[in-house]
Amino acid sequence: SQKIEQNSEALNIQEGKTATLTCNYTNYSPAYLQWYRQDPGRGPVFLLLIRENEKEKRKERLKVTFDTTLKQSLFHITASQPADSATYLCALLTGGGNKLTFGTGTQLKVEL
Amino acid sequence: ETGVTQTPRHLVMGMTNKKSLKCEQHLGHNAMYWYKQSAKKPLELMFVYNFKEQTENNSVPSRFSPECPNSSHLFLHLHTLQPEDSALYLCASGNTWDEKLFFGSGTQLSVL
Repeated sequence: SQKIEQNSEALNIQEGKTATLTCNYTNYSPAYLQWYRQDPGRGPVFLLLIRENEKEKRKERLKVTFDTTLKQSLFHITASQPADSATYLCALLTGGGNKLTFGTGTQLKVEL
Repeated sequence: ETGVTQTPRHLVMGMTNKKSLKCEQHLGHNAMYWYKQSAKKPLELMFVYNFKEQTENNSVPSRFSPECPNSSHLFLHLHTLQPEDSALYLCASGNTWDEKLFFGSGTQLSVL
């Protein structure tokens, strides 16, 4: 069966450290993978997209890697801040058209 | 604000009620989506509309009835819901030639 798995446990890190979140998938061959941020009581907000032929993408303090052999994406936040505390979701384009399938998300808490 | 507005933000209804959720996007997108988000579960795609035409119905029970009168407005009509339908209902919009989605803040629905 098709699965998108993210760390189910919350991730607690200290301010200033690098947070690394994992997204693993099985039985998909996605053209690209996206990462979203979701705050409590709000909808997800798009952060980054990485295509199957790209190994790495950066945006300010964010970095995403995509390994189609391992079927895994890693999402890094460098120099993390308490304001980065949120749930981070990965999503794959699946099926035809522009249908996105999401993982369950990983809750990140950055402590002072 | 993301340009996608959902009303109401919160809704409590009995199992015999009929209510409607409304979504409006001000971004000029041609596709609109309904997603359901239950606690500890991934976002679940319900319906997709492209240029006002429904292109995806993800085996959603008939007690949920979508309506898309134009590319800017999307409704979800609710009728004789069950307590397990309690969840956050998220509307999103995008363009079929672009990949990212823009989400509203959602309607938190409680069915008693």
